[in-house]
Amino acid sequence: QSVLTQPPSVSGAPGQRVTISCTGSSSNIGAGYDVHWYQQLPGTAPKLLIYGNSNRPSGVPDRFSGSKSGTSASLAISGLQAEDEADYYCQSYDSSLSGSYVFGTGTKVTVL
Amino acid sequence: EVQLVESGGGLVQPGRSLRLSCAASGFTFDDYAMHWVRQAPGKGLEWVSGISWNSGSIGYADSVKGRFTISRDNAKNSLYLQMNSLRAEDTALYYCARAPSTVTTEGYFDYWGQGTLVTVSS
Repeated sequence: QSVLTQPPSVSGAPGQRVTISCTGSSSNIGAGYDVHWYQQLPGTAPKLLIYGNSNRPSGVPDRFSGSKSGTSASLAISGLQAEDEADYYCQSYDSSLSGSYVFGTGTKVTVL
Repeated sequence: EVQLVESGGGLVQPGRSLRLSCAASGFTFDDYAMHWVRQAPGKGLEWVSGISWNSGSIGYADSVKGRFTISRDNAKNSLYLQMNSLRAEDTALYYCARAPSTVTTEGYFDYWGQGTLVTVSS
């Protein structure tokens, strides 16, 4: 069972800005552990999108940005494009679970 | 180019065993911790297990602890997952993932394989 909560879905028109929230607790995000984000296109493996709360790996467009505050984090996609339609997952670490990396519940982004 | 190729999945009866493998290439395998992450059909991602570069540190999700065993062979650039006492709820696509760290405390997964499907059913 996921310990990080995300909205099931968000949508936006091409060119718009959408944000995805990731809510945790004092044993994971609130404990200071970094938040990372993955994009999973239909039928493919997850791909690292944001690491260390706000860093983009090489090749990830700067339309994607991440932030973290308190027990939550957010992923923003600006200038939404059709190819951004995918599932997005946040991930962190939880000190209350045995050696546990934790993922968010996942958010489906739909481009209208 | 970093490549992770999983194999060993298939259809297995409840209570039986299966061993997954992940062949790594394109990087110095023993410089990195490695992990298994699974995704049940139509569901989200779930971390399963991780192993440090020298196998000195290993962790498991509570859902598989005592049933699954992770291991690696650095000489063969390979990661393994021995799955025993399989249950219907273990049905999932199992991904091999690299962590940009030698250890298994915190962090993220920078490269993923394409996954191997495990179906547990009678």
